[in-house]
Amino acid sequence: DGGITQSPKYLFRKEGQNVTLSCEQNLNHDAMYWYRQDPGQGLRLIYYSQIVNDFQKGDIAEGYSVSREKKESFPLTVTSAQKNPTAFYLCASSIAVAGAAGELFFGEGSRLTVL
Amino acid sequence: SQELEQSPQSLIVQEGKNLTINCTSSKTLYGLYWYKQKYGEGLIFLMMLQKGGEEKSHEKITAKLDEKKQQSSLHITASQPSHAGIYLCGAAGRYNAGNMLTFGGGTRLMVKP
Repeated sequence: DGGITQSPKYLFRKEGQNVTLSCEQNLNHDAMYWYRQDPGQGLRLIYYSQIVNDFQKGDIAEGYSVSREKKESFPLTVTSAQKNPTAFYLCASSIAVAGAAGELFFGEGSRLTVL
Repeated sequence: SQELEQSPQSLIVQEGKNLTINCTSSKTLYGLYWYKQKYGEGLIFLMMLQKGGEEKSHEKITAKLDEKKQQSSLHITASQPSHAGIYLCGAAGRYNAGNMLTFGGGTRLMVKP
């Protein structure tokens, strides 16, 4: 079945450590996205990528980094520069159509807790 | 940037009751998406509205788009415990790169059996 897989589902890290969250999709989608969700709040866009080897900053990119070396993969690294990294992270993908909007398909999320 | 405000922020209803959730945009809507999220999980797509006055239904959930008011409403008829979760609206701006969506803060729905 086609879909988006995020791993790990739960992750704990110590302050000062970098951590990488994995996101893989087999939907053949061009566009991929990373959102952050804090308790009681909506989703905020961290980074997005419309095509391989290209990505753009979203609203809250500081302290995060991404790569898009393969169409199906869009890993997110939460660096030690991120001041408040404890959150629920959601990866999504979609068919990228210029100037139009379509449905986003979401993974199950990764919950990061900084100890 | 576009902002979406959802109301109410949380809602507790008795099973069988009807309810409405609203999503208001600070800018013109060019596409409005409704998603449902179970606590600690990903988002499930419910429906998308693009044209003013458009109305879509799926099972007991109906969504409407009032383009002039820059607002969408989600109505659930005869609510059931399975409807519990977080409902989020997402909007696409006219010049959004790709399919990037801006999301509202969500409405937390609890249905009491």
